Formats: sequence, structure tokens, C-alpha cells
Amino acid sequence: GAVVSQHPSWVICKSGTSVKIECRSLDFQATTMFWYRQFPKQSLMLMATSNEGSKATYEQGVEKDKFLINHASLTLSTLTVTSAHPEDSSFYICSAREGSGNQPQHFGDGTRLSIL
Amino acid sequence: DAKTTQPPSMDCAEGRAANLPCNHSTISGNEYVYWYRQIHSQGPQYIIHGLKNNETNEMASLIITEDRKSSTLILPHATLRDTAVYYCIVRVNTDKLIFGTGTRLQVFP
Repeated sequence: GAVVSQHPSWVICKSGTSVKIECRSLDFQATTMFWYRQFPKQSLMLMATSNEGSKATYEQGVEKDKFLINHASLTLSTLTVTSAHPEDSSFYICSAREGSGNQPQHFGDGTRLSIL
Repeated sequence: DAKTTQPPSMDCAEGRAANLPCNHSTISGNEYVYWYRQIHSQGPQYIIHGLKNNETNEMASLIITEDRKSSTLILPHATLRDTAVYYCIVRVNTDKLIFGTGTRLQVFP
């Protein structure tokens, strides 16, 4: 089945650091990938839609200069949290869809980000 | 996309069938019903989806009412590993999945 891989699975860094998270579709090509954020005991919140070869589309309230998204190939999207602060600590999850139409999205295992 | 309503929590005995309901009374004709589950500290796992016919796969069955205003996910023989939060989502081909609060299923021995 379709596999989506995220790296790293967890990261701890100092306040002010920029952190890059990678999302790869391992056995299929994905023109569109999605980035979510999940705070403890809450549901997933869509942050942005990542489109291969074009700019990402951000959801309302998500700062595009804070959360940089690059989707340079059909199998890789990256999310960079710039100048991270403790309030950015969260569980970040990506997803990708194989094909088009009603095909389901498949999710990575998430990246737990802790900013000290 | 249509909004869904799910009970916040349910319990099920191991080996029994778990029936998880979902209301989506404002669903439109071209919106699909998707079910995902999230085990603690992992990414969501796709379970099943359907439009109007009942669907079955190796994980579960999806029963959609004739008016499509509600559906039920059935795990035929629940195991302890099925303990998770189950999300029912309806969407049209806009790609976006908007997660609600889901149902926390606890399977007990």
C-alpha cells in the first residue's frame, strides 16, 4: 500500500532555531501533499496544502513566512519552522494522496517538535 | 465540506464488534465518507471510504444509510490494538481533509 515517510520523528532544539521536516511518498508520486499540526488532546489542524512546482496554499491564520513549505519533486515536500519558539512545539504530520479523484490520503508517522 | 458528528467516546469488549456511528446530515451528493483512526502519538491511518454503497475491506465495513445522512464503521472483531481515536470525514474532490474531534474507542479485555 501507499507509504508516506516523515523525518525526523522527533526533534528538540533551542528557541530561535529553524527546523526542517521532510515528508516523502515512498512508493507513489504525489503532486499534492498536506501539512497538519496537532496539539496535545486536540484534533489535527490543516496548516497548508503543498503543490509540486508551485507555491503552497496556507490555511487562514497560518503564517507563511513562519512555516516555509517547499515541494520540489513529486515525492518530497519539506516544512521549515523558522525561528522556532516554545509555542511552536507540537506534533507535525504530513499526508499525500496517490492519484486523483476519491483516492484516500495517507499519513506519515508525524514529527514531534519540542522547542526549549 | 459537510460537518460530521460523532460520539466522543465508546467502549467495546475484545472480540466483539465495534460499531462507530457518524452523522453527516448536510452531506451533498458528490461527497465521500472517509474513516481514519489515530493511535496515540502516530499519524492517522486510513481505514475505508465510500459514496453510497456499503463497503468492506480487510480492516472494516462501512454501512451508509440510504439517505446518506449517517454511516457506521464496523470493526467485526475488536482487539486491544484497535483502541484509538476514530475520525469520520466527508469531503468532495477538494483534497482537504478537515478533522473533527472523533470518537475515542477503548477496547477492554
